[in-house]
Amino acid sequence: DTGVSQNPRHKITKRGQNVTFRCDPISEHNRLYWYRQTLGQGPEFLTYFQNEAQLEKSRLLSDRFSAERPKGSFSTLEIQRTEQGDSAMYLCASSEDVTNEKLFFGSGTQLSVL
Amino acid sequence: GENVEQHPSTLSVQEGDSAVIKCTYSDSASNYFPWYKQELGKRPQLIIDIRSNVGEKKDQRIAVTLNKTAKHFSLHITETQPEDSAVYFCAAKQAGTALIFGKGTTLSVSS
Repeated sequence: DTGVSQNPRHKITKRGQNVTFRCDPISEHNRLYWYRQTLGQGPEFLTYFQNEAQLEKSRLLSDRFSAERPKGSFSTLEIQRTEQGDSAMYLCASSEDVTNEKLFFGSGTQLSVL
Repeated sequence: GENVEQHPSTLSVQEGDSAVIKCTYSDSASNYFPWYKQELGKRPQLIIDIRSNVGEKKDQRIAVTLNKTAKHFSLHITETQPEDSAVYFCAAKQAGTALIFGKGTTLSVSS
């Protein structure tokens, strides 16, 4: 499978727990993005990487959220001390580089915080 | 930062009719405007995109138009089919920034 891969597909957790999601982009893609989507809304930008460098974070992003892309390949998104409002679909996307900005999305990780 | 507004939020058409979805953006520096289709329970998929140096682009039954002066762009679907039923998102960005999406339009095509 040469598409964007995300794991796990579903995550159920209790409020206050930490969760971590993984994203494997298309192999030759330098840019990796994290978005959050709730029912009836468009994808909301969280953060993005150019190789291993985190270039932009949404001003709306809580300090409880952190993302890494240590070797410029896969990325992880961690949410600490989860809250019920964190329940959403977390989408990862990748693009080739600045000259080819077409975004390809993964299937997402559905987070439910109880 | 960029802000994208999308209208209408829902659109119902009869099979064979045309459908038009409109978006406005706030940042005049934005230069890339894609449209994504998301079927229920699936990932968003790119269906067409346009850059600011082009006013119109067409791909079979789908076309996108861009008015840079007014800062708005539109998606046109002709001869709609039931399989066109989905949520459609417009988006905008400038070089070096992330793609910002509209809130989506739910298109229902009835046969």
